[in-house]
Amino acid sequence: RKEVEQDPGPFNVPEGATVAFNCTYSNSASQSFFWYRQDCRKEPKLLMSVYSSGNEDGRFTAQLNRASQYISLLIRDSKLSDSATYLCVVTSGGSGAGNNRKLIWGLGTSLAVNP
Amino acid sequence: NAGVTQTPKFQVLKTGQSMTLQCAQDMNHNSMYWYRQDPGMGLRLIYYSASEGTTDKGEVPNGYNVSRLNKREFSLRLESAAPSQTSVYFCASSSRAYYGYTFGSGTRLTVV
Repeated sequence: RKEVEQDPGPFNVPEGATVAFNCTYSNSASQSFFWYRQDCRKEPKLLMSVYSSGNEDGRFTAQLNRASQYISLLIRDSKLSDSATYLCVVTSGGSGAGNNRKLIWGLGTSLAVNP
Repeated sequence: NAGVTQTPKFQVLKTGQSMTLQCAQDMNHNSMYWYRQDPGMGLRLIYYSASEGTTDKGEVPNGYNVSRLNKREFSLRLESAAPSQTSVYFCASSSRAYYGYTFGSGTRLTVV
């Protein structure tokens, strides 16, 4: 099993739609969780951290389910500019030296928002 | 604008040539990282520097060396380039070890 798994998509949705992505992770010791967005041929950019209680930033909502080891990202009222690849990222966990400094990156979910 | 600056943006090397990728950040971040991104493989950590004066290997360090020149600068060197090192390289920095990375715009390297 991959450490971080995401449905690669692509998800094709019309403008204004609500779309949700899930991401599962294998290491129950992971402590921190993030969503990054990456536009085609550009660098990843932090979209939001994911907190245990769930968190919202405008049209974006992130949720964490530790028991089932997955995180989710919900995008409401999709815009054309939301078209990108969304990367799920978790910390590697573990107690070894340096382990808590490493992020494990998913391969990303591709979203295309259509007019 | 403040951020992470990488040079060069594009590079073509012949097998066996060497080169250094430069990275500088002006956000006073302690930690810096070098990643490579390949289709189907995602982002893989090559080397990182948790703080000035320290460097550690990541997942795929073979064929690379790094130097944390000062708090701002973290360079990646390919001593003898191989076609398997054709990739997009990203430098990143963060204020603390694994939180809120800021990435540079990347270097697209082709080794022929």
